[in-house]
This record gives sequence, C-alpha cells and structure tokens, in this order.
Amino acid sequence: DTGVSQDPRHKITKRGQNVTFRCDPISEHNRLYWYRQTLGQGPEFLTYFQNEAQLEKSRLLSDRFSAERPKGSFSTLEIQRTEQGDSAMYLCASSVVSGNTIYFGEGSWLTVV
Amino acid sequence: ELKVEQNPLFLSMQEGKNYTIYCNYSTTSDRLYWYRQDPGKSLESLFVLLSNGAVKQEGRLMASLDTKARLSTLHITAAVHDLSATYFCAVVGGSNYKLTFGKGTLLTVNP
Repeated sequence: DTGVSQDPRHKITKRGQNVTFRCDPISEHNRLYWYRQTLGQGPEFLTYFQNEAQLEKSRLLSDRFSAERPKGSFSTLEIQRTEQGDSAMYLCASSVVSGNTIYFGEGSWLTVV
Repeated sequence: ELKVEQNPLFLSMQEGKNYTIYCNYSTTSDRLYWYRQDPGKSLESLFVLLSNGAVKQEGRLMASLDTKARLSTLHITAAVHDLSATYFCAVVGGSNYKLTFGKGTLLTVNP
C-alpha cells in the first residue's frame, strides 16, 4: 500500500527561479489538496482538485503559483519567480469523495535563498 | 471565516501524567480531525470525529467532540516519551473538503 508520494522532498533555489513539485496521490483517490506549512504554524489550504478539475484556490495562491492535475492522476505545483517568503513545506494530501480520512504526503521542503 | 484555536500551544508533561488538549472552532462543522506531526515529518492521521458526542480512543489517546460547544478534546493518559510531537486539530468548514488547522500543540513528555 503506497501512500501519498511527493517529489522532490527538499529543494533549495535562488530567489527568482522557478520550482515545480509533484504529488502522486493514493491510487483511486479522486480528491487532491495542496497545503503550505511554515515553521511553528499549522498547514494552510492552497488549492483543491476533484479529479482533474481545480475547484478552489486560496487567496494565498498568488499569480506566481499554478497547480495542475492532468487526467486526474498526479498533480504539480509550480512556483514562478520564487521569493524568500515562499520558503515553507508544501504538503499534498488525497482522499476519496465518499471517505472521511485525508492522507498527507511527506511534504516538499522549499528553501529560497 | 472559520477559525480554529488550540490550547495550550506548548505542553511539557512528565511521564505517567494525564493531560488534555483543547480545540475550539468558530462555526458549525460536521467533521473534526486530529493529526500528529513529528519534527520535519508529515501529518499522521489520528482521529476523525463525525458527530456530536463522538469519542474515539487509540492507545493512550482519546478524542471527543461536542458540536454544540464547538469543542474537541484530546486526552492523554499516562504519557510516555514516544508521544512527544506536535498535535493539530483541523476542522472541515462549509466547503466539505477544506481543512482549517489550529496552530498546533507542541507536546514534550519528560522522563
């Protein structure tokens, strides 16, 4: 049984560069979420997909952020022109529509220098 | 806007003692989650509470939900060092899928 998989686990980038994170949800999970967590805080919602449709985007997701879920399988989160304030752990989670448990991946740590 | 407050934010306990973490939320919700997070790691699901009066137990942890008071508790019985972690409660609001998290309670269990 594979859980939610995220890649890369750690990324250090220079300010102004673009980064992309990938999330592979649990097989047959049609709901997929992205959250962001900074040190000492709880995760904050970024965006939500049901199958391939992106149904909600948080106000936290500026124009520099874009997320996709082609074919309703894996998802990518791209951050363009990174800023130091983007440094955080980006968490992906998945669930089934009919289920209650939401499973989180190991997270992708981003450090912008 | 849904707000979730946890207290205490920091908790230092001795092994063998009991304690309770509280989670209050501001608007009606039909689902409340408790997660555990170890340093540098992701979130491990502990409990999902679905209805008023729901109580769930796993080992030394017991969670309960009072939807009328908009309050959940996570009770720790006879704490052991392995329980040291940050505990988050999270509530699903009107959207039916979006979790709003509290700030977390950093629990340290000392020998």
